[in-house]
Amino acid sequence: AQSVTQPDIHITVSEGASLELRCNYSYGATPYLFWYVQSPGQGLQLLLKYFSGDTLVQGIKGFEAEFKRSQSSFNLRKPSVHWSDAAEYFCAVVSRGATNKLIFGTGTLLAVQP
Amino acid sequence: EAEVAQSPRYKITEKSQAVAFWCDPISGHATLYWYRQILGQGPELLVQFQDESVVDDSQLPKDRFSAERLKGVDSTLKIQPAELGDSAMYLCASSLDEGRGFFGPGTRLTVL
Repeated sequence: AQSVTQPDIHITVSEGASLELRCNYSYGATPYLFWYVQSPGQGLQLLLKYFSGDTLVQGIKGFEAEFKRSQSSFNLRKPSVHWSDAAEYFCAVVSRGATNKLIFGTGTLLAVQP
Repeated sequence: EAEVAQSPRYKITEKSQAVAFWCDPISGHATLYWYRQILGQGPELLVQFQDESVVDDSQLPKDRFSAERLKGVDSTLKIQPAELGDSAMYLCASSLDEGRGFFGPGTRLTVL
């Protein structure tokens, strides 16, 4: 069955430092992959997505992610973190078949230190 | 930019009571999803509609949960009776295709 693993439950970085959030997926074919961000008490906002083509994907708010098939990974990166980036980040894969169903990881909570 | 609307934003109820949540998807989006997000976890799909038809409700606790999308536009999710374990954020999302979901702000349910 398709699944998504986010190994880091909680990460703290200093403002201005670089960030990498890990995501590993399990899927038999080429996956559709997403990163969403959720601020406290809010819904989910799409940061970026990968369907095919260039494996380095640019998203909103200065985020990017790289699809690595050999490692079954889709890690999210940002070169310089801002205090407003503090939120929870979810990686997701679409389970394609009769229905297109988003399957989410358990999330990584990002804290930003001044 | 068009958004998914949900109401209410917050709901507090006592166990054994009935609750209902409403979702209005982005106009033209045929696919509508209801997710449940327990604190500290990722969202879990409860039910998926394609127009007015249910295409996936395998994770919906059908003894107490029901969902409808009568005209293929807005949708209602109901819980009757509510239990303590139902306390969670209920998220609605809509999509054109390929599973990319546009999410609403969610309804935070607290069952006392």
